[in-house]
Amino acid sequence: NAGVMQNPRHLVRRRGQEARLRCSPVKGHSHVYWYRQLPEEGLKFMVYLQKENIIDESGMPKERFSAEFPKEGPSILRIQQVVRGDSAAYFCASSPGQVNTEAFFGQGTRLTVV
Amino acid sequence: GENVEQHPSTLSVQEGDSAVIKCTYSDSASNYFPWYKQELGKRPQLIIDIRSNVGEKKDQRIAVTLNKTAKHFSLHITETQPEDSAVYFCAARASDSWGKLQFGAGTQVVVTP
Repeated sequence: NAGVMQNPRHLVRRRGQEARLRCSPVKGHSHVYWYRQLPEEGLKFMVYLQKENIIDESGMPKERFSAEFPKEGPSILRIQQVVRGDSAAYFCASSPGQVNTEAFFGQGTRLTVV
Repeated sequence: GENVEQHPSTLSVQEGDSAVIKCTYSDSASNYFPWYKQELGKRPQLIIDIRSNVGEKKDQRIAVTLNKTAKHFSLHITETQPEDSAVYFCAARASDSWGKLQFGAGTQVVVTP
């Protein structure tokens, strides 16, 4: 029973490049959440998706960031034209539902922008 | 929206002593309060959670208490061991928040032998 799988674990990008982070939820989970953790800080909610739908993107920066969760395949968090301030750990969590359910986190992708 | 405050930011305890971490929340609609343990470079792992219809929950050396009136909840670790050293995060989730968690800033717990 595989948990939430994220890849890559580590990603280095130069300023101006694009970063694509992938998240495969626990099998059977249809709810995916992305969180960002800056160094020595807590996790901040970014976006909540269900299959083919963005439900809540209130935590997403207005520009350069986008997320999708297609009918087939993993959820993708895309950051265009990365800047140094995007360096962080990005965690994906999945759950089988919204309420009365636990969220299980993946190992995270550590993005470093050089 | 929800705001979660967590204290202290760092906590040093002697092995065998107890550790207590406290969190407060602002949204009275919050009804689910998980605690996560995160070791350096690893994922946050759920260690215990409590729902708003319960005042206290215990799992071996870990317990969580919830005071809905005062809007605060606490994590208690008894008989601490070196492997309890980690960053602990509290979180809150409101029933109308699409399931998203609002996290506290974290507490670095160091257990010294």
